[in-house]
Amino acid sequence: QKEVEQDPGPLSVPEGAIVSLNCTYSNSAFQYFMWYRQYSRKGPELLMYTYSSGNKEDGRFTAQVDKSSKYISLFIRDSQPSDSATYLCATYGGSQGNLIFGKGTKLSVKP
Amino acid sequence: DTAVSQTPKYLVTQMGNDKSIKCEQNLGHDTMYWYKQDSKKFLKIMFSYNNKELIINETVPNRFSPKSPDKAHLNLHINSLELGDSAVYFCASSQEWEGQPQHFGDGTRLSIL
Repeated sequence: QKEVEQDPGPLSVPEGAIVSLNCTYSNSAFQYFMWYRQYSRKGPELLMYTYSSGNKEDGRFTAQVDKSSKYISLFIRDSQPSDSATYLCATYGGSQGNLIFGKGTKLSVKP
Repeated sequence: DTAVSQTPKYLVTQMGNDKSIKCEQNLGHDTMYWYKQDSKKFLKIMFSYNNKELIINETVPNRFSPKSPDKAHLNLHINSLELGDSAVYFCASSQEWEGQPQHFGDGTRLSIL
């Protein structure tokens, strides 16, 4: 089993929809979780950073960590065409404690 | 002000050549990283430097050598370039080594002819 699994999509939604992006991870010892947004030909941009379980909200974005099921989610409310990008989940883990990324989910928000 | 900047943005070169990519961060972070993003967009760690000391070296060929002249800079030198080296290389930095969010540059797109 891969350490971080993420459905690559693509995911296409109409403007204004609520988007749910998800990842699962393999090791219950992982504690730090991040979501990045990557536009085409740009570097990953940090969106959300959470520690342990629970929810964190920032504007239209909510990150959720469920450590009991090893599941992390990113919700985007009132999605906009400018949200069209690839979203990457990440956590610190691996054999040397480095940051491990999911493969990314490509999101397209249609006007 | 760009937090993490890389040069060049694009690099097109012949197989067998030696090339360098430069990275600078103005965030005052202690740790810097190099990642490789392949054609399937998968990001994988290559190296990490903490206070100029190498602390991660994943299974990367020794043709790749990171050099850190100071904690704000981390360069990547690649010898004897191969076709499989074509990828996007990202530099990143974080306040500390583990647990902190990492901030990325916009990448260097390397194409080997």
